[in-house]
Amino acid sequence: GAGVSQSPRYKVAKRGQDVALRCDPISGHVSLFWYQQALGQGPEFLTYFQNEAQLDKSGLPSDRFFAERPEGSVSTLKIQRTQQEDSAVYLCASSLEVGDEKLFFGSGTQLSVL
Amino acid sequence: SQKIEQNSEALNIQEGKTATLTCNYTNYSPAYLQWYRQDPGRGPVFLLLIRENEKEKRKERLKVTFDTTLKQSLFHITASQPADSATYLCALDHSGGGADGLTFGKGTHLIIQP
Repeated sequence: GAGVSQSPRYKVAKRGQDVALRCDPISGHVSLFWYQQALGQGPEFLTYFQNEAQLDKSGLPSDRFFAERPEGSVSTLKIQRTQQEDSAVYLCASSLEVGDEKLFFGSGTQLSVL
Repeated sequence: SQKIEQNSEALNIQEGKTATLTCNYTNYSPAYLQWYRQDPGRGPVFLLLIRENEKEKRKERLKVTFDTTLKQSLFHITASQPADSATYLCALDHSGGGADGLTFGKGTHLIIQP
């Protein structure tokens, strides 16, 4: 596609539910990043993939957060047993190659945990 | 610990004037610094990148400066227009190589008044 696509656009979950957020990066982009953005804050790094390899997951806030990119294209961020503090916008970004500093972002998934 | 600071309050500028946004950082030695624009409900959009060995970079009405001694970047929009109203994010590379993603500031909300 022309840009990074994320779905769903909005997700409402009851506390304790599991959620899965999808990211379709720009075709051919090697690097993929997940960020979390709380209201009024800048994006905070969660995890990074180079093709299918998850090279950095230091930003994942707890073991309830899990990300995968099994075929090196589409990625899924899964949050288990959601908590209210997980409410945020989850942004996905991709870049063409390793070391390409310019990131292309999707519009994000706004997650609300009630 | 590493820290990025941007003007925390909204910046109101009259149309036609130059808007200047500030990004200060501590405990970083970034190889480069980037500026992004974010509109409500959208992901950040890349604007400019400036490397540590560059003092100034320009793109149309945008100008970025980078002072590694002061640990500061200034972002200027000349001849500002209401359409320039948005949140502007400063971002630095994690590791110096770019592959591990960016750390973002909280952003400055810029309002250009007609």
